[in-house]
Amino acid sequence: AQTVTQSQPEMSVQEAETVTLSCTYDTSENNYYLFWYKQPPSRQMILVIRQEAYKQQNATENRFSVNFQKAAKSFSLKISDSQLGDTAMYFCAFSPANTGKLIFGQGTTLQVKP
Amino acid sequence: EAGVAQSPRYKIIEKRQSVAFWCNPISGHATLYWYQQILGQGPKLLIQFQNNGVVDDSQLPKDRFSAERLKGVDSTLKIQPAKLEDSAVYLCASSLSRATTANYGYTFGSGTRLTVV
Repeated sequence: AQTVTQSQPEMSVQEAETVTLSCTYDTSENNYYLFWYKQPPSRQMILVIRQEAYKQQNATENRFSVNFQKAAKSFSLKISDSQLGDTAMYFCAFSPANTGKLIFGQGTTLQVKP
Repeated sequence: EAGVAQSPRYKIIEKRQSVAFWCNPISGHATLYWYQQILGQGPKLLIQFQNNGVVDDSQLPKDRFSAERLKGVDSTLKIQPAKLEDSAVYLCASSLSRATTANYGYTFGSGTRLTVV
């Protein structure tokens, strides 16, 4: 079975500092994609960053970057220069190639403190 | 472009009653998904449509849940009869195709929060 595990239910960080959210996954697939989604209180899921499993280079989107360790099946999210607007629930998700299906982890609630 | 529209935003019903949720995806998006998100958990896929055909409904409790996308555009998810454990947020999402999910992920709606009492 394909599973995604986020071991940190809650985290907090001071504004302007850096925080890392952890994610591990389990699959026998070789071709897949990984995502981080943000869910604010409005409930709408917003795509933060994505990574192709066949690319060794870690994805970066402005203040957001990932550390993708394929052999370890680890996909952590680093948020630099944290802002109050980053406060939300963050979900790691796995998608086997060409299925369109997303398998989500349990989520990490991030609070950015002023 | 307009986003994924869902209604109602909130619904409270008694157990054993029926309820229906509506979703209108982004225009031109062939693939539509319904996810169930129980409080404190990640979303779980219930059903996936490609145009008006079902691609994956393996996790849909078919004894009480049903979904349709008759014209390949908007979709309805129904629960009949509802149980207490059905209390959750029901998220609808769409993408151009299954293949584009890899590049762009989905566009999600804001969901319907269902409370069964």
